[in-house]
Amino acid sequence: KNQVEQSPQSLIILEGKNCTLQCNYTVSPFSNLRWYKQDTGRGPVSLTIMTFSENTKSNGRYTATLDADTKQSSLHITASQLSDSASYICVVSQRGSQGNLIFGKGTKLSVKP
Amino acid sequence: DAGVIQSPRHEVTEMGQEVTLRCKPISGHDYLFWYRQTMMRGLELLIYFNNNVPIDDSGMPEDRFSAKMPNASFSTLKIQPSEPRDSAVYFCASSPRLAEYSEQFFGPGTRLTVL
Repeated sequence: KNQVEQSPQSLIILEGKNCTLQCNYTVSPFSNLRWYKQDTGRGPVSLTIMTFSENTKSNGRYTATLDADTKQSSLHITASQLSDSASYICVVSQRGSQGNLIFGKGTKLSVKP
Repeated sequence: DAGVIQSPRHEVTEMGQEVTLRCKPISGHDYLFWYRQTMMRGLELLIYFNNNVPIDDSGMPEDRFSAKMPNASFSTLKIQPSEPRDSAVYFCASSPRLAEYSEQFFGPGTRLTVL
């Protein structure tokens, strides 16, 4: 069964600290993996999209890694800010699926001052 | 560009009533998606359209749900009759080409509460 599992479910960190969110997937055949940020009361916004051949992709203070062999991805946030408080959703696209994305349930991050 | 526009932003209704959610995709995007988000199940794809034609509606929970896209700039998701378990946030998203390789742009969502 195609699944995307994220950990932890929730995380609280202090402003300025770094953190890493994890994503494991069993989707096959794999096409690409995305990380979305969803602020409370808003729709998800894409942070990164990585294909099979990409190991690392950065977007400002956000760095995503992908290990297609172990089917794991991580999202590292550097020097966290209060505005990073949000849910982070890992999404995997199956090759040939024509639109069907498989979503993780997300990690809820709270950054405290 | 204004992005994906959804209305209403909040809807509170009573069980048994008809509910219509509306979406305007980003101009030029050929694909439109309807999602439902709950705490328990996360984001789930309900249906998606390509060039106004429904391609996959296997995620529509039951016959009470229906979706239409009469033209390239407008889509509706209708629930009739509504039930309390339909309470969720409904998102519309659009993408310029085949979603497998393309980013999806989400609207702000409609928070539906069925009493």
